[in-house]
Amino acid sequence: DQQVKQNSPSLSVQEGRISILNCDYTNSMFDYFLWYKKYPAEGPTFLISISSIKDKNEDGRFTVFLNKSAKHLSLHIVPSQPGDSAVYFCAASASYAGNNRKLIWGLGTSLAVNP
Amino acid sequence: NAGVMQNPRHLVRRRGQEARLRCSPMKGHSHVYWYRQLPEEGLKFMVYLQKENIIDESGMPKERFSAEFPKEGPSILRIQQVVRGDSAAYFCASSPVVRGQGRTDTQYFGPGTRLTVL
Repeated sequence: DQQVKQNSPSLSVQEGRISILNCDYTNSMFDYFLWYKKYPAEGPTFLISISSIKDKNEDGRFTVFLNKSAKHLSLHIVPSQPGDSAVYFCAASASYAGNNRKLIWGLGTSLAVNP
Repeated sequence: NAGVMQNPRHLVRRRGQEARLRCSPMKGHSHVYWYRQLPEEGLKFMVYLQKENIIDESGMPKERFSAEFPKEGPSILRIQQVVRGDSAAYFCASSPVVRGQGRTDTQYFGPGTRLTVL
């Protein structure tokens, strides 16, 4: 049962344009969401997070939007750069889990930014 | 301020041997997580440990795999009697202690250990 879903395995955009990566979740108890970027042969790198008390969080070129009613979040990258080409993972956690702060991960979306 | 350290970066074992993967969390972090990434697949959670305690091992195979995070020293993921299907990248992540009302579930990853079983 995939509680965090990234339905697009891959995405291709032109340099300078906006990249929009989507993530859906099924567990309404999730209250903290994160995006990670992963290059081949490296560990994932934390990008940006959002708490369920917010609907938007921005950090430079990266903005995450959260729509709790739709159980959907998205990562916007503007403007996209070739160095952004990587696999992007969405992850979530729930405070109801108490001491267990395990993250639930999507399968990732491979982004290719073309020069 | 060193990040999460993993060693070795590459490990080659023959079938039936033991593999030991080490992870040193970031300074000040007392939560460690192990993940496995098989070729062409996403990250799969294996186990979550705090110092001297296993919090969640729901992703660990029932046999041959074990993990520990002793009071002193790195966390160890041990795979006994390795088989070819164990070939994968194994990632360790750590997160800090939560104080007060704050929650910090952000995990910081090491570079991974690539295990190849011949």
